[in-house]
Amino acid sequence: NAGVTQTPKFRILKIGQSMTLQCTQDMNHNYMYWYRQDPGMGLKLIYYSVGAGITDKGEVPNGYNVSRSTTEDFPLRLELAAPSQTSVYFCASRPGTNEQYFGPGTRLTVT
Amino acid sequence: AQSVTQLDSQVPVFEEAPVELRCNYSSSVSVYLFWYVQYPNQGLQLLLKYLSGSTLVKGINGFEAEFNKSQTSFHLRKPSVHISDTAEYFCAVSDMGSQGNLIFGKGTKLSVKP
Repeated sequence: NAGVTQTPKFRILKIGQSMTLQCTQDMNHNYMYWYRQDPGMGLKLIYYSVGAGITDKGEVPNGYNVSRSTTEDFPLRLELAAPSQTSVYFCASRPGTNEQYFGPGTRLTVT
Repeated sequence: AQSVTQLDSQVPVFEEAPVELRCNYSSSVSVYLFWYVQYPNQGLQLLLKYLSGSTLVKGINGFEAEFNKSQTSFHLRKPSVHISDTAEYFCAVSDMGSQGNLIFGKGTKLSVKP
């Protein structure tokens, strides 16, 4: 199993550009999550999904959108990038138990 | 709603010394508790978890943590650290009725010096 994979690893965006961060898991987990990590702030939940076709907002959803058309994929969309979205983004998935499995992260810079 | 406080943002320690990383949480309902480790430029890896049962839980790499309900704490300990334990450690909580959403503390950077 590859676990949770994320692409790209790094990206630089200009203000106002759009992009999609990809997340795929091959463990057949129903639950998937997107977090952002800012220095000294821990991880904040952006969006989560409890299964294909079902998504919900987390603590910091503004400026982001998600979709979940399959169990495996949970892409995160930034429509109009802003400097405040400079961060490291982590995707995670969870089986029926409570521990989450994290991907390696995407480091995004918006200038 | 839950919250997590990690009392130390940085902990320097010498190799082979013991270490304790402190975590306190706040919740009006019963919770599950977790410690994750993040090595430089990597994702988070689960160290250990408390779901129920014995309040002393053992994890990977020789770490252990004790759940203290009366003090709402879940401190992480290791009796003898190695250089390779240098990393950032996150305490997290989820309530038993949620979608498994985790609330994270701000992290503690453990720096092990030779």
